[in-house]
Amino acid sequence: QKEVEQDPGPLSVPEGAIVSLNCTYSNSAFQYFMWYRQYSRKGPELLMYTYSSGNKEDGRFTAQVDKSSKYISLFIRDSQPSDSATYLCAMSVGQAGTALIFGKGTTLSVSS
Amino acid sequence: ETGVTQSPTHLIKTRGQQVTLRCSSQSGHNTVSWYQQALGQGPQFIFQYYREEENGRGNFPPRFSGLQFPNYSSELNVNALELDDSALYLCASTPGRQGGSPLHFGNGTRLTVT
Repeated sequence: QKEVEQDPGPLSVPEGAIVSLNCTYSNSAFQYFMWYRQYSRKGPELLMYTYSSGNKEDGRFTAQVDKSSKYISLFIRDSQPSDSATYLCAMSVGQAGTALIFGKGTTLSVSS
Repeated sequence: ETGVTQSPTHLIKTRGQQVTLRCSSQSGHNTVSWYQQALGQGPQFIFQYYREEENGRGNFPPRFSGLQFPNYSSELNVNALELDDSALYLCASTPGRQGGSPLHFGNGTRLTVT
């Protein structure tokens, strides 16, 4: 079992839809949870950063962490064609020198 | 604008050759991390440097090595290139040594090994 599992998609939705992206993980020591957006030919761009369990909202984006279920989600409201990208979840135990562990990424396409 | 710049953007090498990739971190960021992202995969941790010393390493062989310089620049060197080394190589910097800090990546160097 991989440490972080993420459905690669692709996921296709119409403009204005609510998008739900999810990751599951196996390491209960993970404390820091992130979502990155990666456009083609670009590096990953940090979208959301959360410590421990709970919800965090930033504009059209909401990140949820459920440590009891080892499950994290990213919701995108009122999706736009510019949201078309690959979304990567990432997590860390938080110790210096340790890796950020990424999922494989979910490819999202929003059609106008 | 992430503040992290990488060069070159693209590179083509032959199997068995050596390659050096470069990264310029944000000013004041004394921790730099390198990741390898194969096509269709998430980035994988290669190693991290803090104040010019290796601070952590992922599951990569010794032919992957690095250097960090006092001017916040760093290098990733790969010897004896293999076809599977073809990937996007990403650099990220953070201001401190504390784990758990969010990483801000550059746009990477795409390496093709033929």
